[in-house]
Amino acid sequence: GQQLNQSPQSMFIQEGEDVSMNCTSSSIFNTWLWYKQDPGEGPVLLIALYKAGELTSNGRLTAQFGITRKDSFLNISASIPSDVGIYFCAGHNNDMRFGAGTRLTVKP
Amino acid sequence: GAGVSQSPRYKVAKRGQDVALRCDPISGHVSLFWYQQALGQGPEFLTYFQNEAQLDKSGLPSDRFFAERPEGSVSTLKIQRTQQEDSAVYLCASSLGGSNEQFFGPGTRLTVL
Repeated sequence: GQQLNQSPQSMFIQEGEDVSMNCTSSSIFNTWLWYKQDPGEGPVLLIALYKAGELTSNGRLTAQFGITRKDSFLNISASIPSDVGIYFCAGHNNDMRFGAGTRLTVKP
Repeated sequence: GAGVSQSPRYKVAKRGQDVALRCDPISGHVSLFWYQQALGQGPEFLTYFQNEAQLDKSGLPSDRFFAERPEGSVSTLKIQRTQQEDSAVYLCASSLGGSNEQFFGPGTRLTVL
């Protein structure tokens, strides 16, 4: 089963709003990753984080690797309609564990 | 192509049939992974290859599931005597050796009737 707790499960926002989602775990991970999945497609890597405390940006996306190594968050600024999809956090040690996903809906 | 490809994209099987799902990783990627994704859930790890060696198969749910990568490139996931609970999307991912950044294929949606 899933070891990662991802929240919120779903979000409905207006275009232009900022979004924040997070992931927590009872286990320490060496790497945290964030993926986006569109319907009928595989997950696409957005950001990978390798060090505790690391803050990394990729365009309008910003993600942080928690100091305790047990959590991470993803922020999306100024959302646009194509941000719609399911966002997954993943923690990696010897294998990769995924959260259950946050389903994002952006209303124009 | 430049990305991971999987075939077939959709497979419908009658309960009890055997199925074989194919994955073509990104050229040069040493590591290959198989995941099972149930509806509304995140992917769950099944098995991992480094070149042709299957280094971890701890996620395979039963001995009806078998994966191979005989030449260290293309991989096949085989499910014998399929059951309804095997219905899911099966995702393949590949990565460069030593990298945690996995690149996913589009998946095969398996429906067992």
